[in-house]
Amino acid sequence: GENVEQHPSTLSVQEGDSAVIKCTYSDSASNYFPWYKQELGKRPQLIIDIRSNVGEKKDQRIAVTLNKTAKHFSLHITETQPEDSAVYFCAASDTGSARQLTFGSGTQLTVLP
Amino acid sequence: EAQVTQNPRYLITVTGKKLTVTCSQNMNHEYMSWYRQDPGLGLRQIYYSMNVEVTDKGDVPEGYKVSRKEKRNFPLILESPSPNQTSLYFCASSSGRGEGEQYFGPGTRLTVT
Repeated sequence: GENVEQHPSTLSVQEGDSAVIKCTYSDSASNYFPWYKQELGKRPQLIIDIRSNVGEKKDQRIAVTLNKTAKHFSLHITETQPEDSAVYFCAASDTGSARQLTFGSGTQLTVLP
Repeated sequence: EAQVTQNPRYLITVTGKKLTVTCSQNMNHEYMSWYRQDPGLGLRQIYYSMNVEVTDKGDVPEGYKVSRKEKRNFPLILESPSPNQTSLYFCASSSGRGEGEQYFGPGTRLTVT
């Protein structure tokens, strides 16, 4: 089955700096890669996703890049703000399977004022 | 309002006492899943369902049962809970087969003593 590894497990940045979280996946059949944000005590929520036919996707201060050859994808947050502090999860799935998502272990991002 | 609900939100129980955590969605989604969240391990899938009466095991199904008798409901059953099932549980639903946003419930914090 799919295995998703996520690094780093914790990340602290100064407000205004950029943050990068990296994930690797094992199953070459995976073709959908979402990122979820979980604020303290709340449920995970989708913030951005990318499909394997696209190399990069941006949404305001958030971007995701995908390298299918290396089986690697990353989340980039620019101009970080205190409200970006949360746990971020990457995930991967094969849309030909009903199995839904395999998640990474999460990254605790802290944005220091 | 589109939502996924879970009950109870918090539960403390003793080893061996059967319990059920309910999950309901009002979005007419075909796909539903149960995850458990443990520190450093991310979200791990327990069971998933593709439609009424169609369920399958995820990564960590041991000690759990599910049923899908109605499209909107997907209860999680622990017939003989053990302390290693102490965790935060999330139900989720989605309209897409392996893609698209997973809508998570608010979570159920379970403690087994």
